[in-house]
Amino acid sequence: EAEVAQSPRYKITEKSQAVAFWCDPISGHATLYWYRQILGQGPELLVQFQDESVVDDSQLPKDRFSAERLKGVDSTLKIQPAELGDSAMYLCASSFSRARDEQYFGPGTRLTVT
Amino acid sequence: GIQVEQSPPDLILQEGANSTLRCNFSDSVNNLQWFHQNPWGQLINLFYIPSGTKQNGRLSATTVATERYSLLYISSSQTTDSGVYFCAVPSTQGGSEKLVFGKGTKLTVNP
Repeated sequence: EAEVAQSPRYKITEKSQAVAFWCDPISGHATLYWYRQILGQGPELLVQFQDESVVDDSQLPKDRFSAERLKGVDSTLKIQPAELGDSAMYLCASSFSRARDEQYFGPGTRLTVT
Repeated sequence: GIQVEQSPPDLILQEGANSTLRCNFSDSVNNLQWFHQNPWGQLINLFYIPSGTKQNGRLSATTVATERYSLLYISSSQTTDSGVYFCAVPSTQGGSEKLVFGKGTKLTVNP
């Protein structure tokens, strides 16, 4: 069964360092999403790609976060510099075409900033 | 934007018991998803259900779109059912559509 892949699964970094997460969506899925989930809450969308284009990055803290999906397939989310408040679960998801289509999630990256 | 409320926030059951989780949403939706977040943090798809009823083993879900709610039923609960259950609906904000999640129901099934 096709799955969304993410790496690393866990990351511990010191504040002010740079960190990057990678996501490979289900083959054929045009839309890719990065979510952030703080403990005790539901996931919140950071950025949404349609193929290689950003559709929605209104909740992405652009002073420190960046995201790319250069060839419209896999994607990288970067944080530079990391802050203590960035400690969270970072989830990647994909869907066939639109946000209303069924979204499938990867295993996530649990980030701890010390 | 749309508001999604889940109840109860916490639920503790003995193995074998049945339960009903509720998801209310504030506006009309064209779809709804239920997820189970396992102890390792991964969101597992349970149901993709805009309306009507679907069943998958011991789990079933019903969405009544006209009344803006969905129910997730878990029968004969097992310890492996423990975790957080989320519902999510698509919402159009600022010209783009995105999935909005509730805060979840934390289920604990004791042996």
